[in-house]
Amino acid sequence: EIVLTQSPGTLSLSPGERATLSCRASQSVSSNYLAWYQQKPGQAPRLLIYGASSRATGIPDRFSGSGSGTDFTLTITRLEPEDFAVYYCQQYGNSLYTFGQGTKLEIK
Amino acid sequence: EVQLVESGGGLVQPGGSLRLSCAASGFTFSDYYMDWVRQAPGKGLEWVGRTRNKANRYITQYAASVTGRFTISRDDSKNSLYLQMNRLKTEDTAVYYCARDTMAVAGNYYYYGLDVWGQGTTVTVSS
Repeated sequence: EIVLTQSPGTLSLSPGERATLSCRASQSVSSNYLAWYQQKPGQAPRLLIYGASSRATGIPDRFSGSGSGTDFTLTITRLEPEDFAVYYCQQYGNSLYTFGQGTKLEIK
Repeated sequence: EVQLVESGGGLVQPGGSLRLSCAASGFTFSDYYMDWVRQAPGKGLEWVGRTRNKANRYITQYAASVTGRFTISRDDSKNSLYLQMNRLKTEDTAVYYCARDTMAVAGNYYYYGLDVWGQGTTVTVSS
């Protein structure tokens, strides 16, 4: 099973700042199958990025994804108040999906 | 509108069984693989399993934590996905989400992430 480790666990930033979230895999992941999700309290997850760098429908361009192999990054430029949430990376490999443990983005 | 609506959650005793349903609308259900994902209280997301579509022989895949206890099935005539949960444990307590996966049509496969999610249904396993 491929293990995804997200860092930091919690990120404290102010609106308008830039957020950089990391997702590291225990072995190489196909970029085609690396996705990022946002989840707010009491809500279902929302797809942000698929294929490591493609934005899902309706996702603002302040969200971007990058990376390959074992290291992937989600970047949010110019944080908006509604961006403060928990973010998860996810991969598909060896017939299994796995999620990272999440990064909580909180208002400083 | 593309939509998934789960139902069937509730309180069940350890060792018991429960069947969750997920009703799909607004898209061609039979063209897609479908997944179940769960989230224990205060915890992160955990993938439970998925079913491929008819063209891919309805093959199912499961997380190790539920293999042998949970079964995913679907009824394309009813645009519905199911999760049969047997021999439930307290650690199965979670919100269960269904989600849309790969589109597989005419030998072509399109993966755009788990792009549509239901609102979730809560399962509590407790005596």
